[in-house]
Amino acid sequence: AQSVAQPEDQVNVAEGNPLTVKCTYSVSGNPYLFWYVQYPNRGLQFLLKYITGDNLVKGSYGFEAEFNKSQTSFHLKKPSALVSDSALYFCALKAANQAGTALIFGKGTTLSVSS
Amino acid sequence: DAGVTQSPTHLIKTRGQQVTLRCSPKSGHDTVSWYQQALGQGPQFIFQYYEEEERQRGNFPDRFSGHQFPNYSSELNVNALLLGDSALYLCASSLGGRGTETQYFGPGTRLLVL
Repeated sequence: AQSVAQPEDQVNVAEGNPLTVKCTYSVSGNPYLFWYVQYPNRGLQFLLKYITGDNLVKGSYGFEAEFNKSQTSFHLKKPSALVSDSALYFCALKAANQAGTALIFGKGTTLSVSS
Repeated sequence: DAGVTQSPTHLIKTRGQQVTLRCSPKSGHDTVSWYQQALGQGPQFIFQYYEEEERQRGNFPDRFSGHQFPNYSSELNVNALLLGDSALYLCASSLGGRGTETQYFGPGTRLLVL
């Protein structure tokens, strides 16, 4: 069975410091991996995705993520956090060998950036 | 360029009633996927529509049904509402239904069942 785990319910970081939001996955075959961000009372905004190729993926708003197949991880990172980055972050998975669009989401991690 | 739009934004229903939620995809997109997001949880996939047909379905009962129109817009219908159906319903659109393409989400419809 496919699954996504976000082991931290909340991550706290000071503005200007680097941030990491963790994601691990379980899938049969190769994964497609996505990060989305959700602001209060809003839908999900796409940040970045890994389909194939370079393990380091760069996305919107200065975010990046590193695909690590041996550790089955896809952690989201940013070198210098902003207060405006405070939001709910979701990691999502799709098995490459399955048809269709169904994404499996983690439970989400709340990022709080203090000034 | 309009993004994904959904209507209504909020809805209150009582148990046993039926509800219809609507979604217009991002310009140029032909695939619509629906998700249910319960409070404090990640979104759960309900179903996907492509070429006016349901192509993939998640673990949701038959009370959940949908439709896609020739202009690619879509409706989600839920019959015999239960209290547990209270959630944020998200529509996502993409181009093609293979799964590699990015899904863009609308703002959602918040449904409260009393």
